[in-house]
Amino acid sequence: KNEVEQSPQNLTAQEEEFITINCSYSVGISALHWLQQHPGGGIVSLFMLSSGKKKHGRLIATINIQEKHSSLHITASHPRDSAVYICAVRTPDNTGNQFYFGTGTSLTVIP
Amino acid sequence: KAGVTQTPRYLIKTRGQQVTLSCSPISGHRSVSWYQQTPGQGLQFLFEYFSETQRNKGNFPGRFSGRQFSNSRSEMNVSTLELGDSALYLCASSLWVSRPQYFGAGTRLSVL
Repeated sequence: KNEVEQSPQNLTAQEEEFITINCSYSVGISALHWLQQHPGGGIVSLFMLSSGKKKHGRLIATINIQEKHSSLHITASHPRDSAVYICAVRTPDNTGNQFYFGTGTSLTVIP
Repeated sequence: KAGVTQTPRYLIKTRGQQVTLSCSPISGHRSVSWYQQTPGQGLQFLFEYFSETQRNKGNFPGRFSGRQFSNSRSEMNVSTLELGDSALYLCASSLWVSRPQYFGAGTRLSVL
């Protein structure tokens, strides 16, 4: 049983395309994280959110707590956005305070 | 400000040995978490420390242990290594529990 499901698993886009990556989860959460991992392993935390919407540059993350769903949008995609994007959730203290991760979405942006 | 530093970056061990990995968090950060990443299982949570106390632990056997020192530096130890322990081990620090995390570059462990 996967507590966090991401889609799509792989995504190829042309430069400047608008990209959406989806994340659904089945547990109660205290926060949801979007992570970016480049080849070589380094991980960068893009967003941490528990409600609503956050924006940073060309990246937008939204979450719908009732539907247990989050989306990561990339506007005007660029080849440097090519990376694996991972959705992760943290459960509250009263349910074990655990982290669960999606399997990641591998994004390739072609010039 | 220096980032999260993990040492060593690469490590080769043989089955049955034990290994200790080190993580130095960003200055001022008091929470340190450890994760294991493998091609088959993806990212998995190992444990989280705050102010020298383990707050929570993932679903890993007792061979995996860790600790945090008073300066917030953390170590994790894996005893009686198995082939399946070959993985990238990532450490992340945050100012406080439930705050945004900053990841180190990881330690890549190969067990032969």
